[in-house]
Amino acid sequence: SYELTQPPSVSVSPGQTASITCSGDKLGDKYACWYQQKPGQSPVLVIYQDIKRPSGIPERFSGSNSGNTATLTISGTQAMDEADYYCQAWDSSSWGVFGGGTKLTVL
Amino acid sequence: QVQLQESGPGLVKPSQTLSLTCTVSGGSISSGDYYWSWIRQPPGKGLEWIGYIYNSGSTYYNPSLKSRLTISVDTSKNQFSLKLTSATAADTAVYYCAREGMATIRLINYYYGVDVWGQGTTVTVSS
Repeated sequence: SYELTQPPSVSVSPGQTASITCSGDKLGDKYACWYQQKPGQSPVLVIYQDIKRPSGIPERFSGSNSGNTATLTISGTQAMDEADYYCQAWDSSSWGVFGGGTKLTVL
Repeated sequence: QVQLQESGPGLVKPSQTLSLTCTVSGGSISSGDYYWSWIRQPPGKGLEWIGYIYNSGSTYYNPSLKSRLTISVDTSKNQFSLKLTSATAADTAVYYCAREGMATIRLINYYYGVDVWGQGTTVTVSS
């Protein structure tokens, strides 16, 4: 079965850029999505099709996907961005694969 | 806008069947290129995709759950449901119903992610 690996935690200072990686075999050949989940809340889609932002997601959220790694980048990180982030890989043969999640701490 | 709401027992005894229903409001479950899914999250852990049903009735399940899982749809009630047999403590989790978008255009598949989530319902498997 297909597997995705994320770092358990990432720390960033307010106003700086946070990068969260997601690794998987030939991940760049698949679509990558990213979800933000705050405590006690349902996840929210922040990036789909590698680089696209759903309506209502701030421009400071961006994504990339190439080779074996997808990256979620948060520019000008704010305290409100502190959350767990999950990557997801999709192609027609690997539906529904999530990474283990990364806890982003803004300190 | 489409909203999803899970319902079902919060406590299930071991070896019994875990049953949940998701009610879709603000749109028809039969329209569009949408896949209606279940996703769960054990306490303090990450997301696990369970399976989906398409409005045609076709399904796809997580291989690790396939032998115990049935997802069905009732278009007349705008609902879809999950049944997981032989429940164990490992099935204790927050269960989310969700909508995934995928379209095939000129033979190319485009995936739009899980764009709508229910609020989640906690199910505990315990005697």
